[in-house]
Amino acid sequence: EDKVVQSPLSLVVHEGDTVTLNCSYEVTNFRSLLWYKQEKKAPTFLFMLTSSGIEKKSGRLSSILDKKELFSILNITATQTGDSAVYLCAVENTGTASKLTFGTGTRLQVTL
Amino acid sequence: KAGVTQTPRYLIKTRGQQVTLSCSPISGHRSVSWYQQTPGQGLQFLFEYFSETQRNKGNFPGRFSGRQFSNSRSEMNVSTLELGDSALYLCASSLAPDYLYEQYFGPGTRLTVT
Repeated sequence: EDKVVQSPLSLVVHEGDTVTLNCSYEVTNFRSLLWYKQEKKAPTFLFMLTSSGIEKKSGRLSSILDKKELFSILNITATQTGDSAVYLCAVENTGTASKLTFGTGTRLQVTL
Repeated sequence: KAGVTQTPRYLIKTRGQQVTLSCSPISGHRSVSWYQQTPGQGLQFLFEYFSETQRNKGNFPGRFSGRQFSNSRSEMNVSTLELGDSALYLCASSLAPDYLYEQYFGPGTRLTVT
C-alpha cells in the first residue's frame, strides 16, 4: 500500500524564519510528487516534482525531490503570516490509472 | 473563469440515511476526482472520473459511489451513512487525468453524520 509521511506534524515559527518541511514516501509505481497549500478549505497547487535533484522555485518557496532516498523537502524562506496553512504532500502512482496518495500534512503557524 | 463549485457546502445527516454531493468542474475540464478529508486520516482518494467513466477507485467500501455526466459534472453518493463518514469531501477537476499539476480543488462539502 502506498504511504506518505510528513514531518513535523506542526510547527510554530516567527515571521522571517526559514522552515523546512519533510515528506517521505513509499509507492509502487512512482510518477510524481506534488505539494499543496491548504489554508481554509481547498488545497492549492504549489509544485510538481518528477526528477531527482532539480529544484523547483516559486518566490520564497522551493522544493526538491530525492528519488533514491524517497523523500522531498519544501523550503519557505523569510516566512510571513500569510504562509500559515497546512502543507500537503502527495505522490502519484501510475498503476492502471493515476491516483494521488496524500500525507496528513504539516500545520505551519507563522507568528509576528 | 469560474472555479470548481460544490453543492451543498454543508450537510447534516443521521446514521442510515444516504447523501448525494455534487461537483461542477471548471469549464473545459473533463477529469473529476473526489477526496475525503478527516482529521485522523488526512486526504484520501475516493475515485476519479473522465469522460463519464470511473478510471480509478480508492480503498473505500461499496457504500461510496459516484458518476459523471456528459457535461463533466459529477456526483458522489454515500448510502447507509455511518458516524465515521463525517468529513470534508473535496472535488478536484483538471483538463485530463494526467494534468494533476493543473488540478483545481473546490471548496468542499462538510458532511456531519449524527
